[in-house]
Amino acid sequence: LAKTTQPISMDSYEGQEVNITCSHNNIATNDYITWYQQFPSQGPRFIIQGYKTKVTNEVASLFIPADRKSSTLSLPRVSLSDTAVYYCLVGDMGFSARQLTFGSGTQLTVLP
Amino acid sequence: DTAVSQTPKYLVTQMGNDKSIKCEQNLGHDTMYWYKQDSKKFLKIMFSYNNKELIINETVPNRFSPKSPDKAHLNLHINSLELGDSAVYFCASSQGTTLAKNIQYFGAGTRLSVL
Repeated sequence: LAKTTQPISMDSYEGQEVNITCSHNNIATNDYITWYQQFPSQGPRFIIQGYKTKVTNEVASLFIPADRKSSTLSLPRVSLSDTAVYYCLVGDMGFSARQLTFGSGTQLTVLP
Repeated sequence: DTAVSQTPKYLVTQMGNDKSIKCEQNLGHDTMYWYKQDSKKFLKIMFSYNNKELIINETVPNRFSPKSPDKAHLNLHINSLELGDSAVYFCASSQGTTLAKNIQYFGAGTRLSVL
């Protein structure tokens, strides 16, 4: 099982770049890395997905080093509305409960 | 239009009662899920259906019974409710189960409180 480890919480200030790192030491060759964001009283929302190197979309960037044992979600210039729980998932191209293990996520609090 | 909708949003009930939560998605997706989120924000898969067939059934008490009358609906019935069932239950859907299609869309959740 590709277990993931994330910090429980992080604080940041408006306008700063935030990097949240997820460790997945026993990631398998076919595993992809996916991040979701959950606001209070809402369901999680897909942010970004990647396999290696760097992926960028309009919301965030995902950095994955060559050994793929960790990944970093980068949120540029956060605002108060980015306060949420961020989940890192690791799974393969098959389909199993393994890749649907969200864990407890990282609570990001953006301060004014 | 809400893509994945759950009803009710809040459910308060007594121990021992039977209750149901309904979920509907209008995205045309083939796969639907039920998750349970505890007070520590741990989000755990319970069930998944693909084209109305059960494909994931995690270690969940058999008091929980999902039913999928069609691809757009996945309901969750809970018998003999216990205090430990108190949690937020999320329904989700995805296009399919392969990597390119398994990005999930979640409902707003149903907060169940068992007294």
